[in-house]
Amino acid sequence: KAGVTQTPRYLIKTRGQQVTLSCSPISGHRSVSWYQQTPGQGLQFLFEYFSETQRNKGNFPGRFSGRQFSNSRSEMNVSTLELGDSALYLCASSPYPGSGGEQYFGPGTRLTVT
Amino acid sequence: GESVGLHLPTLSVQEGDNSIINCAYSNSASDYFIWYKQESGKGPQFIIDIRSNMDKRQGQRVTVLLNKTVKHLSLQIAATQPGDSAVYFCAERESGGNNRKLIWGLGTSLAVNP
Repeated sequence: KAGVTQTPRYLIKTRGQQVTLSCSPISGHRSVSWYQQTPGQGLQFLFEYFSETQRNKGNFPGRFSGRQFSNSRSEMNVSTLELGDSALYLCASSPYPGSGGEQYFGPGTRLTVT
Repeated sequence: GESVGLHLPTLSVQEGDNSIINCAYSNSASDYFIWYKQESGKGPQFIIDIRSNMDKRQGQRVTVLLNKTVKHLSLQIAATQPGDSAVYFCAERESGGNNRKLIWGLGTSLAVNP
């Protein structure tokens, strides 16, 4: 069974631009969570989607948004990029929401904002 | 707010020795705890989990101990190998409700010396 895939793996953007990251979950998994990982803050939960609905949301500004499609693939969007948005963005898929150990992570998208 | 933290940001051990990674949590309402391992360039990978009605759980070469009295979680790795070198994260999940988020610690870097 293929793992979680994220595209692109690396991205360089400038301040003020917007970016869209993509995540394809494991086949059969319907829940997708997004995390931001930085050295100083660790893993910070962004949001979780299940059956195309946002089930949970972390404490991030409205510039961060996401969506999930009917095939469970998910995208997250960051508008008006700031230097502090530079981070590794991780996507995790699971069969259902709120599952802990059954979360499988992708390799992440490394976003650099200059 | 509630948070999960780690006592030691880095740990260096000799190959073959046992490793102990500690984690303190502050939310007494959490009912589920997980340890993840993250190798360089990869997303976190599930190691072992434990529910709050248990105080010990063993896996292959790993043991998780939970002390609810002092809100402390530890991960013990037996006969540490070079392949165990990674950053280890503990995470907790709040009890109750359908929208329970994982709250992550900052991570401990484990370096195994040959």
